[in-house]
Parts: sequence; structure tokens; C-alpha cells
Amino acid sequence: ELKVEQNPLFLSMQEGKNYTIYCNYSTTSDRLYWYRQDPGKSLESLFVLLSNGAVKQEGRLMASLDTKARLSTLHITAAVHDLSATYFCAVDQFYFGTGTSLTVIP
Amino acid sequence: GAGVSQSPRYKVAKRGQDVALRCDPISGHVSLFWYQQALGQGPEFLTYFQNEAQLDKSGLPSDRFFAERPEGSVSTLKIQRTQQEDSAVYLCASSSWTSGSYEQYFGPGTRLTVT
Repeated sequence: ELKVEQNPLFLSMQEGKNYTIYCNYSTTSDRLYWYRQDPGKSLESLFVLLSNGAVKQEGRLMASLDTKARLSTLHITAAVHDLSATYFCAVDQFYFGTGTSLTVIP
Repeated sequence: GAGVSQSPRYKVAKRGQDVALRCDPISGHVSLFWYQQALGQGPEFLTYFQNEAQLDKSGLPSDRFFAERPEGSVSTLKIQRTQQEDSAVYLCASSSWTSGSYEQYFGPGTRLTVT
């Protein structure tokens, strides 16, 4: 059974700080996706990573993929309150992680 | 047109009733996905279409769940004889190959409550 695990599940961080969310998965795949979900809202696609070593950046968020380690990371730089949301990773658009609920505190 | 739309947005069904949930994907999008999201959980894959072909239905939890996309655009997810455990938000997403990747666009979801 394929497992997609994220950690931490809950993250509270101060504005201006940096942090990394980890996504580990148990199958061989080179397609990894990151999404954002605001409370009561649907999902928004953030990043699509399609090969080993892929790195994508948008604003204060940067995602990377290591297919050999079966690990993707979502790095947050100088967090701001607007980044508060739940972040999901997914393998092949089929298997979603448990989600990381991020709260950025002023 | 605009984004992915879903209807109804909210549905309350009595246990044992049948429901039909509709998804209108972005025009021209080949791929269409259905997911079930329980409160506080990540989305669970239900089924996937490429045009009108249902390529994967391994996530449908029981034979009470049925999905179709007869003309390769609008899709309907039908749940027969609803049970309380079917209460969840049902998300639809569409995607197409654009700029070197498959980016998904999600609809607002249908919140189903079975009483």
C-alpha cells in the first residue's frame, strides 16, 4: 500500500522565520505535487515536480524533489501571515499526504 | 470559461437516498479526477477519466459509487443508497498538459451530509 507522509502535521511559526515541510512517500515515482488549501476552501495547485532534482520557487515558497530518497520538501522563507493554510503533497495526483496545517503568527 | 464548477455546492441526503454530483471541468481539459475529502483529512482519490474513458476507478469505496463522463466533458458522480460514512466533501479537478506539466484545477467541492 502506498503511503505519503508529511511532517510536521501542525506547524506554528513566527513571521519572518524559515521552515521546511517534509513529504515522504513509499513508491517509486518522479511526479510530485504540492497544493494549498485555505479553511473551508478547495485546493490550489502550487508546484508540479516532474523529475529527480527538480526545484520550483514561487515567492516565499520553494519545493524540491529527491526521487531516490522518495522525499520532497516545501521550504518557507521569511513567513508571512498570508501563508497560513494547510499544505498537501501528492504523488502522481492520486495519493495525497496527511497535510500540514501551517499557522504564521505575527 | 471560468474555473471548474461543481453542483450542488451542498447536499443533505437521508440515509438510503441516491445522490448525483456534477462536475463541469475547464473547457478542453482532457483529464478529470474525483476525490473524497473527510473533515480534517487529505483528499482520497476516487476515480480518473481521460476524455470519456474511465482509466482508474480503484478508489471508489464500494459498488454504490459510480462515475461517468459520457461525452468527455461534464462528469457525474453518483452514490446509491447513501450511508453516513459517505458524508464528506467531494472534489473534482481537471487538468491538461500545459507548459510542460499537468497542473490541476479544483472545483469548489460538494459538501454531502447524510443524515
